[in-house]
Amino acid sequence: QQQVKQSPQSLIVQKGGISIINCAYENTAFDYFPWYQQFPGKGPALLIAIRPDVSEKKEGRFTISFNKSAKQFSLHIMDSQPGDSATYFCAASKSRTGANNLFFGTGTRLTVIP
Amino acid sequence: DSGVTQTPKHLITATGQRVTLRCSPRSGDLSVYWYQQSLDQGLQFLIQYYNGEERAKGNILERFSAQQFPDLHSELNLSSLELGDSALYFCASSAEGKSYNEQFFGPGTRLTVL
Repeated sequence: QQQVKQSPQSLIVQKGGISIINCAYENTAFDYFPWYQQFPGKGPALLIAIRPDVSEKKEGRFTISFNKSAKQFSLHIMDSQPGDSATYFCAASKSRTGANNLFFGTGTRLTVIP
Repeated sequence: DSGVTQTPKHLITATGQRVTLRCSPRSGDLSVYWYQQSLDQGLQFLIQYYNGEERAKGNILERFSAQQFPDLHSELNLSSLELGDSALYFCASSAEGKSYNEQFFGPGTRLTVL
């Protein structure tokens, strides 16, 4: 049972465009929502994260939008660059339990065309 | 570079064999997590250790076990290997305190079972 659902599976965007990846969850005990970027042959790298007490967080060209009532969150990549081509994973964890393992979405393969 | 190291990078072995994967967390991080990444299952949490003690268990098979040593490095032992155990195995670590949810992943060990 996939606790975090992610879409789309793949995404092709022109250079300079906006990439949008969406995730949804059911478990209201989740209270920490990170996004990871993974290049082929590498481990996932933490990109940006949000907690449900804020609706948006921005770091450079990356923005997380969070809708607590809808139990959805999304990653926006502004001015997408070919170097952003990678697989992106959303995730969620229950930080207050002490066992804060991550539940990952299935990943989105982003290709940015020059 | 996340600061998490994993050895070996690649491992090729036969069915029925036993292997040990090693992880050294970032300096000062007390928590170590093991994740398995496969094409059909995605990124799945296996087990978490905190300061030498098991804290959480995920979808870890009985043939798999792990431990964390006094110097905080961790080992994942996989025995009676099957073809379906072929995957990437990642270790992640996190600190305590305010940023303890942030998990930093190592480069992974690619296991191939023939």
